Amino acid sequence: DTAVSQTPKYLVTQMGNDKSIKCEQNLGHDTMYWYKQDSKKFLKIMFSYNNKELIINETVPNRFSPKSPDKAHLNLHINSLELGDSAVYFCASSQGGTGDSDTQYFGPGTRLTVL
Amino acid sequence: QQQVKQSPQSLIVQKGGISIINCAYENTAFDYFPWYQQFPGKGPALLIAIRPDVSEKKEGRFTISFNKSAKQFSLHIMDSQPGDSATYFCAASMLSGNEKLTFGTGTRLTIIP
Repeated sequence: DTAVSQTPKYLVTQMGNDKSIKCEQNLGHDTMYWYKQDSKKFLKIMFSYNNKELIINETVPNRFSPKSPDKAHLNLHINSLELGDSAVYFCASSQGGTGDSDTQYFGPGTRLTVL
Repeated sequence: QQQVKQSPQSLIVQKGGISIINCAYENTAFDYFPWYQQFPGKGPALLIAIRPDVSEKKEGRFTISFNKSAKQFSLHIMDSQPGDSATYFCAASMLSGNEKLTFGTGTRLTIIP
């Protein structure tokens, strides 16, 4: 039973294309995130949604647009892909607001390669 | 601006030895310090976490030591095993804030027989 799932696992595309990555969590969590992991393994948050509402929007080009149709799903759409967008993108979720600890559960990642 | 600094970048330890990874943070508003473990081709997974009201937390072979005045915390892996070979990330967040995790740069740990 996958807790946080992402599709596709691999995505190879040409510069200038538009692509989407889908994320679903079956943990009943209220908060979902998108992270980018670059070639040096550095993990950086991009967006966070709580109950379909945007909470965190880091300095990310507006070519990246998250969409949350419901609290179990957070999709990432990327317009006009550039070479520098090549990375592994991780979706994560957490219960949020517990005030004591907040484990984030990560998906398996989507490796995006822009040619 | 790197708010959480992690060292070393890579570490090789003999089987049965102690692996030690260090992190330092700048923002005194951070109040939650987790460590994540990532195997190749997988997403990070929570290993152990600590709040600043305690100086040490132990779970099995894994221990976090926390020094609030120095703004440092470290992960100790006792009796290191080949299965511990992975990349380890420290992180910090403000549970009272937006709970955003700020990650360290990662340490690639290799346990050799």
